[in-house]
Amino acid sequence: KAGVTQTPRYLIKTRGQQVTLSCSPISGHRSVSWYQQTPGQGLQFLFEYFSETQRNKGNFPGRFSGRQFSNSRSEMNVSTLELGDSALYLCASGAGTAYNEQFFGPGTRLTVL
Amino acid sequence: TQLLEQSPQFLSIQEGENLTVYCNSSSVFSSLQWYRQEPGEGPVLLVTVVTGGEVKKLKRLTFQFGDARKDSSLHITAAQPGDTGLYLCAGVFGGSNYKLTFGKGTLLTVNP
Repeated sequence: KAGVTQTPRYLIKTRGQQVTLSCSPISGHRSVSWYQQTPGQGLQFLFEYFSETQRNKGNFPGRFSGRQFSNSRSEMNVSTLELGDSALYLCASGAGTAYNEQFFGPGTRLTVL
Repeated sequence: TQLLEQSPQFLSIQEGENLTVYCNSSSVFSSLQWYRQEPGEGPVLLVTVVTGGEVKKLKRLTFQFGDARKDSSLHITAAQPGDTGLYLCAGVFGGSNYKLTFGKGTLLTVNP
């Protein structure tokens, strides 16, 4: 099976702009989660979608939003970018079982100037 | 808020040495996972432990889940440079609707 793919891999934006990141999960996986990773805060959970519904949400402002499509592909949007949004954004897919094992993509490196 | 504490935060050792890293919480896990992340890549799942007292082995890596399901350890025997990476533990807590909580990780460097 193909792994989780994320596009784009690298992105440079300026403050105030918005950005959309895309994630294609492993075939058959119905759960997609998004994480923000920075050196200071580590891996922080943004949200999880399961069968097109948001199942869990982390403690991020409303500027961060996401959605999942009927084919399980997911997008994440960040509006009004701030310098502090510079980070590695990781997408992970899973079967959605009680263990919630995550299979990660390579990430999108976002730099906000 | 349920937190996972990992220790040590950084570890630098020589090839051939043994090491243990720890993952602790004040709450009970329904299940716990260990991941390894190499630079420029996403984390990769190493193991899932579910039962208190459970021990799992993956080649030179030994994972243990505490009896009370509040802590876990990862022991590496005869570390190799290829073991270098960020080791993350992540747990599902009871009543969390399957939400996975990650620790901040232990950054391991194995020097040749």
